Amino acid sequence: ILNVEQSPQSLHVQEGDSTNFTCSFPSSNFYALHWYRWETAKSPEALFVMTLNGDEKKKGRISATLNTKEGYSYLYIKGSQPEDSATYLCAYWGSGGSNYKLTFGKGTLLTVNP
Amino acid sequence: GAVVSQHPSWVICKSGTSVKIECRSLDFQATTMFWYRQFPKQSLMLMATSNEGSKATYEQGVEKDKFLINHASLTLSTLTVTSAHPEDSSFYICSAILQPEAFFGQGTRLTVV
Repeated sequence: ILNVEQSPQSLHVQEGDSTNFTCSFPSSNFYALHWYRWETAKSPEALFVMTLNGDEKKKGRISATLNTKEGYSYLYIKGSQPEDSATYLCAYWGSGGSNYKLTFGKGTLLTVNP
Repeated sequence: GAVVSQHPSWVICKSGTSVKIECRSLDFQATTMFWYRQFPKQSLMLMATSNEGSKATYEQGVEKDKFLINHASLTLSTLTVTSAHPEDSSFYICSAILQPEAFFGQGTRLTVV
């Protein structure tokens, strides 16, 4: 069973605050790490696909970093807005055999208060 | 980005009947598709990995005779919930791989009455 852990489980911030969450995953058999923005009962919206150790990616106010050697990734949101409220999921994609699948963490539920 | 179409988007069925959900990759070929289920107030849980031309690989605790997966072509995978019961009511979503990304269908809300 692959362990993909996200913390915190939920987070409440005020509009304008910057925030970050963590995703930890197995450091072996690594292929890719995905971040998604997800609203319940909808299709996840892809934010980043990260494959290389040390990768840093940015999309607007959202950015992510990746450390494959220690098995963690951070997602940062700068200047949070109410429309950023959603669940942020990371998904670990292993390489080879039974690891070749996308395993999701439980997500971090972000609520941004106006 | 690539498009994955999932159908139906919602379905209501009677207990004991079977329901088929289709997942199509519209503009690419997908040798691998994943099927997920969302339990209430929980994240997406992987049910099975669907491989074109071979048997699906099911996750621990998922009944393969209950959730039949067929991946007969490079653009279509189907999930059939057999003899559905109210506890099978859930949100089911598929994804297809176009490396290095995964693209998701719109999801299917199944309600068994």
